[in-house]
Amino acid sequence: DIQMAQSPSSLSASVGDRVTITCRASQSVSSYLSWYQHKPGRAPKLLIYSASSLQSEVPSRFSGSGSGTDFTLTVSSLHPEDFATYYCQQSYSTPYTFGQGTKLEIK
Amino acid sequence: QVRLQESGPGLVKPSETLSLTCTVSGASISSFYWNWIRQPAGKGLEWIGRIYTSGNTNYNPSLKSRVSMSVDTSKNQFFLNLRSVTAADTAVYYCARAYVSGSYDYFDYWGQGTLVTVSS
Repeated sequence: DIQMAQSPSSLSASVGDRVTITCRASQSVSSYLSWYQHKPGRAPKLLIYSASSLQSEVPSRFSGSGSGTDFTLTVSSLHPEDFATYYCQQSYSTPYTFGQGTKLEIK
Repeated sequence: QVRLQESGPGLVKPSETLSLTCTVSGASISSFYWNWIRQPAGKGLEWIGRIYTSGNTNYNPSLKSRVSMSVDTSKNQFFLNLRSVTAADTAVYYCARAYVSGSYDYFDYWGQGTLVTVSS
């Protein structure tokens, strides 16, 4: 299985801050990498697919980059609704695997 | 708007079978991969497997001996069965659609999840 490691596991930030979350794969996944936002009790939401493509209706303050084994999700200026847990996920090969999550909290 | 809704028993006894249904509304279930994903409390997301509307399946090897999935296109539903459950199978279970674009696929719609507890 391809292991996905996210860092940090938690992050405190303020509204307006720029934040970056990192995801590293145990082997190359090319650009088969997605990012999801998850709030308690709600359906996870797709933000980024193919490493850098913004899903429809997702605000442009979210961006993704990387290929191979190293990827980043950046939020350019945090809004109050952005405080949530974020997961990366590879779809290069089955079984599909997720990172352990990064919990973004209000400072 | 595509919506997915999981349903099924919230409590299952050890050694029995966990059975869940995902009902899809707002779009046809045809021509997509439909997935089950779970999250034990305090842990990460685990992909259980997927089924195509033709009936073709792929399962996570860690669960393959106990999992089966099926689909009913006439009802716009797909199903998960997980046999011989233990407390380790206690989790929130999500269903999700995988959208395929070229060689890429990603989970573009998810249900809200349903908590299944394994306990006697």
